[in-house]
Amino acid sequence: KAGVTQTPRYLIKTRGQQVTLSCSPISGHRSVSWYQQTPGQGLQFLFEYFSETQRNKGNFPGRFSGRQFSNSRSEMNVSTLELGDSALYLCASSLDRNYNEQFFGPGTRLTVL
Amino acid sequence: KNEVEQSPQNLTAQEGEFITINCSYSVGISALHWLQQHPGGGIVSLFMLSSGKKKHGRLIATINIQEKHSSLHITASHPRDSAVYICAVRPNTGTASKLTFGTGTRLQVTL
Repeated sequence: KAGVTQTPRYLIKTRGQQVTLSCSPISGHRSVSWYQQTPGQGLQFLFEYFSETQRNKGNFPGRFSGRQFSNSRSEMNVSTLELGDSALYLCASSLDRNYNEQFFGPGTRLTVL
Repeated sequence: KNEVEQSPQNLTAQEGEFITINCSYSVGISALHWLQQHPGGGIVSLFMLSSGKKKHGRLIATINIQEKHSSLHITASHPRDSAVYICAVRPNTGTASKLTFGTGTRLQVTL
């Protein structure tokens, strides 16, 4: 069974631009969570999606948004990029919302110049 | 004070040594996760615990719910165990609870 895939793996953007990251969960998994990892703040929860609905959101500004499609694939979008948005963005999938084990993707490393 | 504290922050061991990484948390939880992150970023989920003890190969994870403490043990450590180990908890605040992470323990195992 294929693991969680994220595209692109690396991305360079400039301040003020917007970016869309994609995550394909393991087949059959219906819950997708997104995380941001920076050297200063460590791993932080961004959002959780289940059945195309955002079920939970972390403490991030409204510039960070996401969605989930009917096939459970998820995208996150960051608008008006700031230097501080440079980070590794990880997505993780799990079978459902009963807090099962999460399987992480390889991440997208975003650099904002 | 962070909700999840890990110790030590950095750990160097020689191959074959027994290693213990500790995680303390300050909230009631429904589950605790131990994660491994290798250079390059990929994260692997090692254990998910809500009570007792779990073992997988050379790795053992224990949790004491009353003391709000968990430990990850690595027996007969090997250089390939070199990674960052991250503890994460899911507070038992209902259906909207979200994973909160420790800052990680960087382990280096030398020959």
